[in-house]
Amino acid sequence: DAGVTQSPTHLIKTRGQQVTLRCSPKSGHDTVSWYQQALGQGPQFIFQYYEEEERQRGNFPDRFSGHQFPNYSSELNVNALLLGDSALYLCASSRRGDQPQHFGDGTRLSIL
Amino acid sequence: GEDVEQSLFLSVREGDSSVINCTYTDSSSTYLYWYKQEPGAGLQLLTYIFSNMDMKQDQRLTVLLNKKDKHLSLRIADTQTGDSAIYFCAEKSGGYNKLIFGAGTRLAVHP
Repeated sequence: DAGVTQSPTHLIKTRGQQVTLRCSPKSGHDTVSWYQQALGQGPQFIFQYYEEEERQRGNFPDRFSGHQFPNYSSELNVNALLLGDSALYLCASSRRGDQPQHFGDGTRLSIL
Repeated sequence: GEDVEQSLFLSVREGDSSVINCTYTDSSSTYLYWYKQEPGAGLQLLTYIFSNMDMKQDQRLTVLLNKKDKHLSLRIADTQTGDSAIYFCAEKSGGYNKLIFGAGTRLAVHP
């Protein structure tokens, strides 16, 4: 039973570029949440998707957007990258949105 | 407001018990979680407790919840070197499943 999978594992971009990160939820899960974890800090909630809709959003600018597909997989898009966007981006999935969240190993994004 | 606080560092001897503490502010939190993060990895769900419970035990892990003081603790019995990691406390906030995390407690286990 595969857990939450994320791709790519590492990514290097330059300021102003755009990036797309991908996530496949754990089997049987229908809700996907995205978190940003800066170095030395705890994860910060970006947004959550359920039934292909953004259900809740944290304190992140509109440069951060997402999508959920009919198979429950999800993408996180970040436009106009800033140096401060360098972080580990974590995807978490759960069932129905109220069950414990299970995390993937993340995508480490470095902005030069 | 939403805030979760943890002490940043804990050092224990192998075989001793470890106790990691956490305080939270949202009195309406229904679930509280403990996650473990090893270097270069994501977060591993260790255990969780519903807000109407005082204690939950799961093998070497014991979670204590003091809802009056909004204090949560994780006790690891017989701590091993493989337990060395960062431990995050998190509260479920709001009607959906948004998690608010503390900054993490780095546990170092020495012989």
